[in-house]
Amino acid sequence: KQEVTQIPAALSVPEGENLVLNCSFTDSAIYNLQWFRQDPGKGLTSLLLIQSSQREQTSGRLNASLDKSSGRSTLYIAASQPGDSATYLCAVRPPYSGGGADGLTFGKGTHLIIQP
Amino acid sequence: EAQVTQNPRYLITVTGKKLTVTCSQNMNHEYMSWYRQDPGLGLRQIYYSMNVEVTDKGDVPEGYKVSRKEKRNFPLILESPSPNQTSLYFCASYRSNNEQFFGPGTRLTVL
Repeated sequence: KQEVTQIPAALSVPEGENLVLNCSFTDSAIYNLQWFRQDPGKGLTSLLLIQSSQREQTSGRLNASLDKSSGRSTLYIAASQPGDSATYLCAVRPPYSGGGADGLTFGKGTHLIIQP
Repeated sequence: EAQVTQNPRYLITVTGKKLTVTCSQNMNHEYMSWYRQDPGLGLRQIYYSMNVEVTDKGDVPEGYKVSRKEKRNFPLILESPSPNQTSLYFCASYRSNNEQFFGPGTRLTVL
């Protein structure tokens, strides 16, 4: 059974720092990997999607990498801002199995606080 | 605006009183899914649907029902809610290999 681990569980840094959030998964047979942010009491906002054949994706100040063989992904946030404060979730999707389970397996998240 | 909507956003009910949480998407996605989020357990899938009239169980389907009669709607039904179904519920929709879009969540309390 796939397990997703996110380290660290919580992180507090001053504004302006570049930072890296880590995600690891136990089964390298994945369809894709998606990073989300969740603000308190709110839904999940999709940040980046990486297909299993890709190595990285970029959107603005965010860059996500994927090393499928080692079961790792990182989310790099450049020049952090107080508005980046949120919980960041990593999720992997299993390969299509013709009718089997099709759910995302989520990590428990990294709670990020950017100090002004 | 492309979105997934859920109703109600907040619900307090009592044990055994049937309820339905609605989910609707306007992106013409084939796939829809329900998750629950609990402290310390994270997000877990309840049910998903690959298209109209095609549904299947996720990791925690006990106590829930779903239906997919129209492409845009995927309601979650609790026939006889119990306190252990108190949770934050999310609906998601997506195309086959694309990113998944989540609704704003429904906070359910069962007394």
